[in-house]
Amino acid sequence: DAGITQSPRHKVTETGTPVTLRCHQTENHRYMYWYRQDPGHGLRLIHYSYGVKDTDKGEVSDGYSVSRSKTEDFLLTLESATSSQTSVYFCAISDRQVEAEQFFGPGTRLTVL
Amino acid sequence: SQQGEEDPQALSIQEGENATMNCSYKTSINNLQWYRQNSGRGLVHLILIRSNEREKHSGRLRVTLDTSKKSSSLLITASRAADTASYFCATDQYSGAGSYQLTFGKGTKLSVIP
Repeated sequence: DAGITQSPRHKVTETGTPVTLRCHQTENHRYMYWYRQDPGHGLRLIHYSYGVKDTDKGEVSDGYSVSRSKTEDFLLTLESATSSQTSVYFCAISDRQVEAEQFFGPGTRLTVL
Repeated sequence: SQQGEEDPQALSIQEGENATMNCSYKTSINNLQWYRQNSGRGLVHLILIRSNEREKHSGRLRVTLDTSKKSSSLLITASRAADTASYFCATDQYSGAGSYQLTFGKGTKLSVIP
């Protein structure tokens, strides 16, 4: 795994509580992405960042917010977790946006009860 | 919305056989990529094929792209038990305002029986 860590790796929380997932990279890549993976849906893009403090929405951004205050860290926040946000969350990075392979972190399994 | 759709959803073969997975997509693309995911792990990039390329090889992998049919195939030759994983295609498309996004399919689950 190319210098990408995610924390926590597993989390169980209750509906209505705030949750923050962290992605940390040591590759100095400009682009960072948050995906969720659900059975029957594959991977879907939540938000992405194209630089410090520069973020944009993906396909399934409702209920999620992100922040990137440093090149190496990209945070995903669920302001008020719902059971529909139970999923495996993956962070990915790339050094460019066009014709670029993405490197993925190990994932965070989130369960919202 | 889902762009790539892999076929079949699941594939079981004997070690040493070839495995072929297909991906169809709906709109024009910049390039198409294939990724592998071992159980409980993150995705790993395998190969990228540009829209103006028809075939590409990497080791035991062969990828073809037919833009007229909006389809791609991934062939793994002489499969090994270690090839057991899920395989995803991802299309790289322009999404507006100078932005490109990868859209992943739902994957093909390959089981290679020793």
